[in-house]
Amino acid sequence: GAVVSQHPSWVICKSGTSVKIECRSLDFQATTMFWYRQFPKQSLMLMATSNEGSKATYEQGVEKDKFLINHASLTLSTLTVTSAHPEDSSFYICSARQGATNSPLHFGNGTRLTVT
Amino acid sequence: LAKTTQPISMDSYEGQEVNITCSHNNIATNDYITWYQQFPSQGPRFIIQGYKTKVTNEVASLFIPADRKSSTLSLPRVSLSDTAVYYCLVGDNNNDMRFGAGTRLTVKP
Repeated sequence: GAVVSQHPSWVICKSGTSVKIECRSLDFQATTMFWYRQFPKQSLMLMATSNEGSKATYEQGVEKDKFLINHASLTLSTLTVTSAHPEDSSFYICSARQGATNSPLHFGNGTRLTVT
Repeated sequence: LAKTTQPISMDSYEGQEVNITCSHNNIATNDYITWYQQFPSQGPRFIIQGYKTKVTNEVASLFIPADRKSSTLSLPRVSLSDTAVYYCLVGDNNNDMRFGAGTRLTVKP
């Protein structure tokens, strides 16, 4: 089946530093990937839609200069949290779709980011 | 605005059938209905997808009425390991993959 690998699974960084999270589709090509953020006991919040070879589409209220998304190949999208602050601490999850627009999403196992 | 509405939480006991309903009044003609399961500190996992009528796989059934304005996920004979949050997602051609609040299912012994 389709597998999405997300790395790292957890990271602790100091305030002001940047953190990069990788999302890879291991056995399929993904033209589109999605990045979510999830706070404890809450639902997934869509941050941006990542399109291979073009700029990401950000949701309203998500700062594109703070959350840099790069989708340089059909199997890799990265999310960089720049100048991280404690309020950026959250669970970040990526997903990718294999095939047509209505095909199911396949999710990574998430990255727990803690900013101290 | 959220596109889907589900009960916030449900309780059940082991061995019972659980039905979780999702309302999606503004579903578009080309939209499919997809359900996901999420355990704490994990990414969601695909359960089942359907367009109309009934779909069944090895873990669940999905019932969709003719007007498609709602759908019901049916989990037969739940166990403690089915305790999770369940999300229904209605997809459109614009890649609008926004999740609703989900339903927190608690299965008790």
